[in-house]
Amino acid sequence: GEDVEQSLFLSVREGDSSVINCTYTDSSSTYLYWYKQEPGAGLQLLTYIFSNMDMKQDQRLTVLLNKKDKHLSLRIADTQTGDSAIYFCAENKGYSTLTFGKGTMLLVSP
Amino acid sequence: EAGVAQSPRYKIIEKRQSVAFWCNPISGHATLYWYQQILGQGPKLLIQFQNNGVVDDSQLPKDRFSAERLKGVDSTLKIQPAKLEDSAVYLCASSTGTGGPSGEVNEQFFGPGTRLTVL
Repeated sequence: GEDVEQSLFLSVREGDSSVINCTYTDSSSTYLYWYKQEPGAGLQLLTYIFSNMDMKQDQRLTVLLNKKDKHLSLRIADTQTGDSAIYFCAENKGYSTLTFGKGTMLLVSP
Repeated sequence: EAGVAQSPRYKIIEKRQSVAFWCNPISGHATLYWYQQILGQGPKLLIQFQNNGVVDDSQLPKDRFSAERLKGVDSTLKIQPAKLEDSAVYLCASSTGTGGPSGEVNEQFFGPGTRLTVL
């Protein structure tokens, strides 16, 4: 397909791990990104992974990349209520144009 | 460091009216982007500036949308005349560069957006 695909909704309990999945479209994408959007706010870059890597860890965040399947995932360990937000997967095509998925709403309950 | 500033935060207009949005990027950022985010979707790039030149406006509906960045700093996006389907959040973002052909990381910093409602 031509769209970056994400599941629309994920609900977890505080302290659990969250895994948000994404399927991207362009095997030549150089970087893949995860952005976070809180209500009424713009997007904030959470983390990114270079296409020649298959894993990147950054504190509570782990990004896994499967280039063969064009699958990207974001794992958040010890999820907190402050992690409740919409998470966008994005890929870059060309020099710097970002193509975003529709976003996954993460709801963390106490 | 001050972030990307946008105004107004909210705007309600009737269809066929005109509206303009303003963006001031982070100081020193050469690249400025305007995105349209329709409810329930991810942001879609409308136009990208490098300094005061247009890099990509392939998805800008040029019959009604226009944008300028005259002095290579702040920018305005205008819609004239507005349609119901233009209801969305308009996000401005800036970055230091374009990422380059080898694909260097290009972190874009986003403003809070302007929520436009067209009645």
